[in-house]
Amino acid sequence: GAGVSQSPSNKVTEKGKDVELRCDPISGHTALYWYRQSLGQGLEFLIYFQGNSAPDKSGLPSDRFSAERTGGSVSTLTIQRTQQEDSAVYLCASSLLGQAMNTEAFFGQGTRLTVV
Amino acid sequence: GNSVTQMEGPVTLSEEAFLTINCTYTATGYPSLFWYVQYPGEGLQLLLKATKADDKGSNKGFEATYRKETTSFHLEKGSVQVSDSAVYFCALRGTGNTGKLIFGQGTTLQVKP
Repeated sequence: GAGVSQSPSNKVTEKGKDVELRCDPISGHTALYWYRQSLGQGLEFLIYFQGNSAPDKSGLPSDRFSAERTGGSVSTLTIQRTQQEDSAVYLCASSLLGQAMNTEAFFGQGTRLTVV
Repeated sequence: GNSVTQMEGPVTLSEEAFLTINCTYTATGYPSLFWYVQYPGEGLQLLLKATKADDKGSNKGFEATYRKETTSFHLEKGSVQVSDSAVYFCALRGTGNTGKLIFGQGTTLQVKP
C-alpha cells in the first residue's frame, strides 16, 4: 500500500497476556519509529529502527516491551504480561532517512490496545 | 534533553476567528521544527515544517515561524473553518540524535459554526 499500515487496528486483551502489534512501513523507508499515545499524554517515543537495528531503545518503558524489525521492512512490537497501564494507541511511523533532520515521518493509523 | 511545550487545550473558536497555538522548545543546536495534525478518526499527518531560524512553514492557510531567539514555533491561521477541528502537535527533531521526533502534548482545536 501507499501508506504505513498497522495491524490490528483494535486489540482487547486480558491482563497478563502477551500481545504483538505489527507495522508495515512505506516501501523503501529505512527508518521506523514506534510511539505510544495515551489519553491526555501526547506522543511518547518508544524505539527507533534504522534498517534492522535499533540504535535508540530509550523509550521502552520496561523489559516487558520489545520490538524487532526484519528485512528492513515489517516491525513487530511485543508487550509481555500486559498491564492495564499499557492501554493506549500504539503508533508506527516511517521515514526515508532517520537522521536527516528535515525528513517527514509518515504515521500509520495506530493500534488501539485495551487491557482488561 | 530536548523537549516541546504546547499550550493546553481545548481551544474553542468560532468560524473565521484568528488562531494561535503556542509552542516553545528546548534543544541544543538547531533542531528542525514541525506541526502535525490529527483529524478525527485519522492518523497523524504533517502540516508544515521549518528547518532553520527565521524560516516560515506554511500549508492550508496555517503558518509558523521558527524563532531562535524565543525558541518558539507558534502556529497561526487567520480564519479558521469547522474542518480545522483536530488535534495539533508541535514536534522537533534535534541534531546529533537518532532522528526521533519529540512531540508536545497536543492541543485540541474545536471550531464552531
